[in-house]
Amino acid sequence: QSVLTQPPSASGTPGQRVTISCSGSSSNIGSNNVNWYQQFPGTAPKLLIYGNTHRPSGVPDRFSGSKSGTSGSLAISGLQSEDEADYYCSSWDDSLIAYVFGTGTKVTVL
Amino acid sequence: QVQLQQWGAGLLKPSETLSLTCAVYGGSFSGYFYTWIRQPPGKGLEWIGEIIHTGSIIYNPSLESRVTISMDTSKDQFSLRLTSVTAADTAIYYCARGMAVGYGYDYWGQGTLVTVSS
Repeated sequence: QSVLTQPPSASGTPGQRVTISCSGSSSNIGSNNVNWYQQFPGTAPKLLIYGNTHRPSGVPDRFSGSKSGTSGSLAISGLQSEDEADYYCSSWDDSLIAYVFGTGTKVTVL
Repeated sequence: QVQLQQWGAGLLKPSETLSLTCAVYGGSFSGYFYTWIRQPPGKGLEWIGEIIHTGSIIYNPSLESRVTISMDTSKDQFSLRLTSVTAADTAIYYCARGMAVGYGYDYWGQGTLVTVSS
């Protein structure tokens, strides 16, 4: 039930900037907030960005979020090896009446 | 520091009922949303449903006929029941706390792998 589309993979060298897109529709991102999660293998997801642009306490400011129309984006500036993980976007969907997640993006640090 | 600790049976046979409980430690139990999310091995996340501290409940329409989420405010716990499980319900099940509507889930349980197999 992944109605939010993300690229399956993204990569960069240490120090580079990597951007992950999350494409939705008017019933989800177009009318609701986008949140982002980071997940390492074998662990629970961690909230990285909430309310489109806000970082929870403890999340480095290398991570930033934005939203435009029916799409959201997560940017990682100054990429570090410990950023290698899976990233998921999410939003409420007014048509499905459910909280939906993106397809997930695996970030690799080259 | 807020911690969510979950437990429940990890191996079920088809047609049995999945039952998980999540306890919230630290901080106030009231004022937040409590949700269940699952993740099939190697796959993405699926929202199951959530309960608000007032008792209001929302379920994923795709699972609504089989799901029950409840809470026990006296114990700061909430629970998940999923009936008539099949192999398709095999997943890691997570409990989580939501800050406010549309603002994501800030604290998560450790996850419970539930395997459905005959």
